[in-house]
Amino acid sequence: DAKTTQPPSMDCAEGRAANLPCNHSTISGNEYVYWYRQIHSQGPQYIIHGLKNNETNEMASLIITEDRKSSTLILPHATLRDTAVYYCIVRGNTGNQFYFGTGTSLTVIP
Amino acid sequence: DAGVIQSPRHEVTEMGQEVTLRCKPISGHNSLFWYRQTMMRGLELLIYFNNNVPIDDSGMPEDRFSAKMPNASFSTLKIQPSEPRDSAVYFCASSLHGTGVNQPQHFGDGTRLSIL
Repeated sequence: DAKTTQPPSMDCAEGRAANLPCNHSTISGNEYVYWYRQIHSQGPQYIIHGLKNNETNEMASLIITEDRKSSTLILPHATLRDTAVYYCIVRGNTGNQFYFGTGTSLTVIP
Repeated sequence: DAGVIQSPRHEVTEMGQEVTLRCKPISGHNSLFWYRQTMMRGLELLIYFNNNVPIDDSGMPEDRFSAKMPNASFSTLKIQPSEPRDSAVYFCASSLHGTGVNQPQHFGDGTRLSIL
Protein backbone atom coordinates (compact mmCIF):
# COMPACT_ATOMS: atom_id res chain seq x y z
CA ASP A 1 0.00 0.00 0.00
CA ALA A 2 1.16 3.52 -0.83
CA LYS A 3 2.67 5.68 1.86
CA THR A 4 0.92 8.91 2.86
CA THR A 5 2.31 12.19 4.16
CA GLN A 6 0.29 14.57 6.33
CA PRO A 7 1.18 17.71 8.29
CA PRO A 8 1.55 16.84 11.98
CA SER A 9 -0.83 19.53 13.21
CA MET A 10 -3.28 22.20 12.09
CA ASP A 11 -5.58 24.75 13.68
CA CYS A 12 -8.97 25.88 12.44
CA ALA A 13 -11.38 28.50 13.71
CA GLU A 14 -14.76 27.23 14.80
CA GLY A 15 -17.35 27.61 12.04
CA ARG A 16 -14.76 27.81 9.29
CA ALA A 17 -13.89 25.08 6.82
CA ALA A 18 -11.06 22.77 7.81
CA ASN A 19 -8.98 21.61 4.87
CA LEU A 20 -6.69 18.70 5.69
CA PRO A 21 -4.14 17.79 3.01
CA CYS A 22 -2.63 14.40 2.28
CA ASN A 23 0.11 13.47 -0.13
CA HIS A 24 0.14 9.98 -1.65
CA SER A 25 2.40 10.39 -4.65
CA THR A 26 3.08 6.65 -5.02
CA ILE A 27 -0.57 5.62 -5.14
CA SER A 28 -1.43 3.00 -7.74
CA GLY A 29 -4.49 2.71 -9.91
CA ASN A 30 -6.51 0.34 -7.75
CA GLU A 31 -5.80 1.96 -4.39
CA TYR A 32 -8.45 3.87 -2.50
CA VAL A 33 -7.96 6.90 -0.27
CA TYR A 34 -9.56 6.58 3.17
CA TRP A 35 -9.94 9.10 5.94
CA TYR A 36 -10.45 8.26 9.59
CA ARG A 37 -10.33 10.36 12.71
CA GLN A 38 -9.67 9.54 16.32
CA ILE A 39 -11.04 11.63 19.11
CA HIS A 40 -9.17 11.28 22.37
CA SER A 41 -9.80 7.94 24.11
CA GLN A 42 -12.16 6.70 21.40
CA GLY A 43 -11.73 4.25 18.56
CA PRO A 44 -10.90 5.47 15.05
CA GLN A 45 -14.00 6.69 13.26
CA TYR A 46 -14.51 6.18 9.54
CA ILE A 47 -15.16 9.45 7.69
CA ILE A 48 -15.07 8.91 3.94
CA HIS A 49 -13.23 7.16 1.13
CA GLY A 50 -12.82 7.43 -2.63
CA LEU A 51 -10.98 6.12 -5.65
CA LYS A 52 -10.72 8.99 -8.12
CA ASN A 53 -13.92 10.99 -8.02
CA ASN A 54 -14.65 13.58 -5.39
CA GLU A 55 -16.91 12.27 -2.67
CA THR A 56 -19.25 13.91 -0.17
CA ASN A 57 -21.22 12.58 2.75
CA GLU A 58 -22.85 14.02 5.83
CA MET A 59 -19.53 14.39 7.60
CA ALA A 60 -17.10 15.69 5.02
CA SER A 61 -15.98 16.07 1.42
CA LEU A 62 -13.01 14.35 -0.17
CA ILE A 63 -11.26 16.06 -3.05
CA ILE A 64 -8.79 13.90 -4.99
CA THR A 65 -6.53 15.54 -7.55
CA GLU A 66 -6.74 14.40 -11.14
CA ASP A 67 -3.36 12.65 -10.97
CA ARG A 68 -4.49 11.11 -7.63
CA LYS A 69 -1.20 11.99 -5.99
CA SER A 70 -2.83 14.06 -3.29
CA SER A 71 -6.18 14.65 -1.65
CA THR A 72 -7.89 17.03 0.73
CA LEU A 73 -10.46 16.28 3.39
CA ILE A 74 -12.83 19.17 3.93
CA LEU A 75 -14.92 19.64 7.06
CA PRO A 76 -17.21 22.43 5.86
CA HIS A 77 -18.08 24.02 9.21
CA ALA A 78 -15.70 22.86 11.89
CA THR A 79 -16.96 22.55 15.46
CA LEU A 80 -15.07 22.01 18.70
CA ARG A 81 -16.10 18.35 18.54
CA ASP A 82 -14.08 17.97 15.34
CA THR A 83 -10.86 18.33 17.34
CA ALA A 84 -9.14 15.00 16.71
CA VAL A 85 -6.29 13.24 14.94
CA TYR A 86 -7.12 12.70 11.26
CA TYR A 87 -5.58 9.81 9.38
CA CYS A 88 -5.23 9.56 5.61
CA ILE A 89 -4.78 5.96 4.48
CA VAL A 90 -4.30 4.39 1.08
CA ARG A 91 -5.43 0.83 0.60
CA GLY A 92 -5.66 -1.50 -2.35
CA ASN A 93 -8.84 -3.28 -3.36
CA THR A 94 -7.42 -6.67 -2.44
CA GLY A 95 -5.75 -5.61 0.77
CA ASN A 96 -7.51 -6.16 4.04
CA GLN A 97 -5.31 -4.00 6.24
CA PHE A 98 -5.25 -0.33 7.14
CA TYR A 99 -1.85 1.15 7.91
CA PHE A 100 -2.34 4.13 10.17
CA GLY A 101 0.49 6.65 10.15
CA THR A 102 0.86 9.54 12.57
CA GLY A 103 -1.97 11.63 11.10
CA THR A 104 -2.77 15.33 11.49
CA SER A 105 -3.80 16.64 14.88
CA LEU A 106 -6.57 19.15 14.16
CA THR A 107 -7.46 21.66 16.85
CA VAL A 108 -10.63 23.67 16.38
CA ILE A 109 -10.32 26.99 18.17
CA PRO A 110 -13.34 28.84 19.59
CA ASP B 1 -27.47 0.10 14.71
CA ALA B 2 -25.06 -1.36 17.24
CA GLY B 3 -21.42 -0.82 16.43
CA VAL B 4 -18.48 -2.98 17.38
CA ILE B 5 -18.72 -3.80 21.07
CA GLN B 6 -15.64 -4.43 23.17
CA SER B 7 -15.33 -5.50 26.77
CA PRO B 8 -14.05 -4.67 29.23
CA ARG B 9 -13.46 -0.96 28.59
CA HIS B 10 -10.70 -0.89 31.18
CA GLU B 11 -8.59 -3.65 32.67
CA VAL B 12 -5.94 -3.35 35.34
CA THR B 13 -4.11 -6.45 36.43
CA GLU B 14 -0.78 -7.63 37.76
CA MET B 15 1.92 -9.03 35.57
CA GLY B 16 1.76 -12.76 35.08
CA GLN B 17 -2.03 -12.83 35.06
CA GLU B 18 -4.08 -13.99 32.10
CA VAL B 19 -6.00 -11.26 30.30
CA THR B 20 -8.93 -11.86 27.96
CA LEU B 21 -10.33 -9.12 25.76
CA ARG B 22 -13.66 -9.59 24.02
CA CYS B 23 -15.19 -8.28 20.83
CA LYS B 24 -18.58 -8.48 19.17
CA PRO B 25 -18.41 -7.33 15.54
CA ILE B 26 -21.17 -5.58 13.64
CA SER B 27 -23.83 -8.08 12.60
CA GLY B 28 -23.30 -9.23 9.02
CA HIS B 29 -19.63 -8.29 8.89
CA ASN B 30 -17.36 -11.17 7.97
CA SER B 31 -13.93 -9.70 8.70
CA LEU B 32 -12.60 -8.93 12.16
CA PHE B 33 -9.40 -7.16 13.14
CA TRP B 34 -7.48 -6.71 16.38
CA TYR B 35 -5.26 -3.64 16.73
CA ARG B 36 -3.04 -2.31 19.48
CA GLN B 37 -2.28 1.38 20.05
CA THR B 38 0.60 2.81 22.04
CA MET B 39 2.20 6.23 22.11
CA MET B 40 5.48 4.85 20.81
CA ARG B 41 4.22 2.66 17.98
CA GLY B 42 0.85 4.13 17.08
CA LEU B 43 -1.90 1.84 15.80
CA GLU B 44 -0.69 -1.63 14.82
CA LEU B 45 -2.62 -4.53 13.33
CA LEU B 46 -2.17 -7.70 15.37
CA ILE B 47 -4.34 -10.24 13.55
CA TYR B 48 -7.36 -10.43 11.32
CA PHE B 49 -10.00 -13.02 10.50
CA ASN B 50 -12.11 -13.61 7.41
CA ASN B 51 -15.20 -15.77 7.91
CA ASN B 52 -13.92 -16.77 11.37
CA VAL B 53 -10.60 -18.03 9.98
CA PRO B 54 -7.35 -16.32 10.99
CA ILE B 55 -5.74 -14.95 7.84
CA ASP B 56 -2.69 -13.03 9.00
CA ASP B 57 -1.28 -13.11 12.52
CA SER B 58 2.13 -11.69 11.64
CA GLY B 59 1.46 -8.70 13.86
CA MET B 60 1.02 -10.77 17.00
CA PRO B 61 4.03 -9.80 19.12
CA GLU B 62 4.82 -13.21 20.57
CA ASP B 63 3.43 -16.55 21.67
CA ARG B 64 1.93 -15.03 24.78
CA PHE B 65 -0.74 -13.54 22.53
CA SER B 66 -3.51 -15.64 21.01
CA ALA B 67 -6.79 -14.82 19.30
CA LYS B 68 -9.85 -16.89 18.51
CA MET B 69 -13.08 -16.40 16.66
CA PRO B 70 -15.37 -19.32 17.50
CA ASN B 71 -18.32 -17.86 15.61
CA ALA B 72 -19.27 -14.87 13.47
CA SER B 73 -20.39 -12.78 16.42
CA PHE B 74 -17.58 -13.17 18.92
CA SER B 75 -13.81 -12.98 19.16
CA THR B 76 -11.28 -12.99 21.99
CA LEU B 77 -7.71 -11.79 22.33
CA LYS B 78 -5.84 -13.46 25.15
CA ILE B 79 -2.52 -12.58 26.75
CA GLN B 80 -0.94 -15.20 28.98
CA PRO B 81 1.15 -14.39 30.92
CA SER B 82 0.75 -10.63 30.76
CA GLU B 83 3.71 -8.23 31.08
CA PRO B 84 3.88 -4.48 31.79
CA ARG B 85 4.96 -3.80 28.19
CA ASP B 86 1.59 -5.16 27.02
CA SER B 87 -0.07 -2.06 28.47
CA ALA B 88 -1.88 -0.35 25.61
CA VAL B 89 -5.30 0.31 24.15
CA TYR B 90 -6.58 -2.68 22.18
CA PHE B 91 -9.11 -2.07 19.43
CA CYS B 92 -11.34 -4.45 17.57
CA ALA B 93 -12.72 -3.56 14.13
CA SER B 94 -15.00 -5.28 11.66
CA SER B 95 -15.84 -4.91 7.98
CA LEU B 96 -17.61 -6.57 5.11
CA HIS B 97 -15.07 -8.29 2.90
CA GLY B 98 -15.21 -10.02 -0.43
CA THR B 99 -18.01 -8.10 -2.07
CA GLY B 100 -15.72 -6.65 -4.70
CA VAL B 101 -16.23 -3.18 -3.29
CA ASN B 102 -13.69 -1.57 -1.01
CA GLN B 103 -15.23 -1.45 2.45
CA PRO B 104 -14.27 0.58 5.52
CA GLN B 105 -13.46 -0.94 8.86
CA HIS B 106 -15.53 0.12 11.84
CA PHE B 107 -13.84 0.26 15.21
CA GLY B 108 -14.97 -0.32 18.75
CA ASP B 109 -14.07 2.04 21.57
CA GLY B 110 -11.23 -0.18 22.72
CA THR B 111 -10.01 -1.80 25.92
CA ARG B 112 -7.50 0.20 27.92
CA LEU B 113 -5.17 -2.40 29.45
CA SER B 114 -2.75 -1.65 32.25
CA ILE B 115 -0.38 -4.34 33.49
CA LEU B 116 1.22 -3.49 36.80
